[in-house]
Amino acid sequence: KTQVEQSPQSLVVRQGENCVLQCNYSVTPDNHLRWFKQDTGKGLVSLTVLVDQKDKTSNGRYSATLDKDAKHSTLHITATLLDDTATYICVVGDRGSALGRLHFGAGTQLIVIP
Amino acid sequence: DMKVTQMPRYLIKRMGENVLLECGQDMSHETMYWYRQDPGLGLQLIYISYDVDSNSEGDIPKGYRVSRKKREHFSLILDSAKTNQTSVYFCASSLRNSGNTLYFGEGSRLIVV
Repeated sequence: KTQVEQSPQSLVVRQGENCVLQCNYSVTPDNHLRWFKQDTGKGLVSLTVLVDQKDKTSNGRYSATLDKDAKHSTLHITATLLDDTATYICVVGDRGSALGRLHFGAGTQLIVIP
Repeated sequence: DMKVTQMPRYLIKRMGENVLLECGQDMSHETMYWYRQDPGLGLQLIYISYDVDSNSEGDIPKGYRVSRKKREHFSLILDSAKTNQTSVYFCASSLRNSGNTLYFGEGSRLIVV
């Protein structure tokens, strides 16, 4: 059973608009949650990592929240650009070290149109 | 320069042929990983290597084997490729005590016909 569910599966927004991507998970324990950006045909690039029980991070136009009680995270993208077109992947880790397991969501495909 | 390099980037093989995918990293990371990515699915862990000659099966190791003879180099081998191994394969690396920070290569797209 998939332990990390992302929604929506795909999303189309106009340049300049804001958008919100969702990640729900059932992984236990949930040590941390990371959001990756994957451009078409490329590898995964980390955007942000959330660690605390209720955590918030900000990285330029990207901001994220985590609520471990609800096992839920959001990724907000403000004032989208055409270069934001990519797949955004939520990953939950059950430990902080390499001995832990990472659980990957299938991703949300974001398309930004002019 | 912190980089994970995969070779080849694209490969077409016939069913039954052997496949060698290679991965290198320049960060002296102890831990390296091989994942595969298929449409509609999250990345699936094939093998993990904690250091030279210290490899462990991941979630889907069947049909694959790995080799790690140098810390900076990790190979994925498919003996007798099957059509259901058509996929995009990603290599990643991390420090042992910082497994939540992964650096990914750009992927190797394998088509088995």
